[in-house]
Amino acid sequence: QITLKESGPTLVKPTQTLTLTCTFSGFSLSTSGVGVGWIRQPPGKALEWLALIYWDDDKRYSPSLKSRLTITKDTSKNQVVLTMTNMDPVDTATYYCAHREVRGGTCFDPWGQGTLVTVSS
Amino acid sequence: QSALTQPASVSGSPGQSITISCTGTSSDVGGYNYVSWYQQHPGKAPKLMIYDVSNRPSGVSNRFSGSKSGNTASLTISGLQAEDEADYYCSSYTSSSFWVFGGGTKLTVL
Repeated sequence: QITLKESGPTLVKPTQTLTLTCTFSGFSLSTSGVGVGWIRQPPGKALEWLALIYWDDDKRYSPSLKSRLTITKDTSKNQVVLTMTNMDPVDTATYYCAHREVRGGTCFDPWGQGTLVTVSS
Repeated sequence: QSALTQPASVSGSPGQSITISCTGTSSDVGGYNYVSWYQQHPGKAPKLMIYDVSNRPSGVSNRFSGSKSGNTASLTISGLQAEDEADYYCSSYTSSSFWVFGGGTKLTVL
């Protein structure tokens, strides 16, 4: 059974850097074809895709946020870390991580429960 | 890359069928058979319902089906049930090697 869980601060101040960790089980990020992505959702609004890292360290970013995002993996700890710099109140959202497997279709499944991050001074 | 366009809301009575559209461009929906659909109940994480336009993951009811024509993909739910009431999001892989989501559609079961 694949599970993912997001962790990190619930409150950050404007201009600070956000660091979120996705800890997963049931799969390995050293297995060919496997990836972990990040998606966020502001309160009451739509989903927004952020970034993805593959088993081979290939990384993809949303063009609109690329300058602010960094995604890394720690295969030995079964973790993926997303950092977002220069946080702003508009970045207030629930941040989700999700599993991706190339052989399983071009989709994300399953997702973690999400973690709400509020940006406020 | 702009978000995909979905109707803000749709509704239907129990037992009826509804269809949710998702319109993109030739750089995303129209260019690949890589459209997926997610169901999200209030306060919950999204759940994959359809992938690669028309494929259902194991465990998803066959009342859910997907299709695509040109730059528009569609999700059809037949035999509507009260538990289908949720938000639905489409997503597509893009020619620039990232993913884009739709604005979401709120389904109300009357």
